[in-house]
Amino acid sequence: GENVEQHPSTLSVQEGDSAVIKCTYSDSASNYFPWYKQELGKRPQLIIDIRSNVGEKKDQRIAVTLNKTAKHFSLHITETQPEDSAVYFCAATDSWGKLQFGAGTQVVVTP
Amino acid sequence: EAGVVQSPRYKIIEKKQPVAFWCNPISGHNTLYWYLQNLGQGPELLIRYENEEAVDDSQLPKDRFSAERLKGVDSTLKIQPAELGDSAVYLCASSVGRGSGANVLTFGAGSRLTVL
Repeated sequence: GENVEQHPSTLSVQEGDSAVIKCTYSDSASNYFPWYKQELGKRPQLIIDIRSNVGEKKDQRIAVTLNKTAKHFSLHITETQPEDSAVYFCAATDSWGKLQFGAGTQVVVTP
Repeated sequence: EAGVVQSPRYKIIEKKQPVAFWCNPISGHNTLYWYLQNLGQGPELLIRYENEEAVDDSQLPKDRFSAERLKGVDSTLKIQPAELGDSAVYLCASSVGRGSGANVLTFGAGSRLTVL
């Protein structure tokens, strides 16, 4: 089945700096890669996603890049703000269409 | 739109007791998922329904866990008997189930279970 690894597990950044989270996946048939943000005690919420026919997608301060050859994808947050502090999860679909989540990255943005 | 509704939000029980969680998905979402989330970890799929049919329950511990989705709308997840290791957040999610939105999941707020 699909195996998704996510790094780093924790990330501290100064407000205004950029944050990058990286994920790798194992199933070459994976074709959908969403990112979820989960604030403490709240539900995971989809913030951006990318499909395998696209290399990069951007939405305001967040962007995702996908390298199918290397089987890795990354989340980029620019001009970080305190409200960006949360746990971020990457995920990838396996060949059965099932989403496999990474272990999460705790992002802390310090003012 | 109400979103995915789950209840109860919190449940504390003693080990060996039964517990049940309820989920109401977004109207029109054919696919319903139950996920388990342990502290500090990503969600892990327990079971996925396409309408009323369980199409993936390979990760559901069937000796103590059961689920149903009668009429293809609401779903319940039951644990009987509960063990200490079952303490976790049980997340329900739903998706359109087909087309470009097939894997776009909307999660509920979760049911936090504590087994004493």
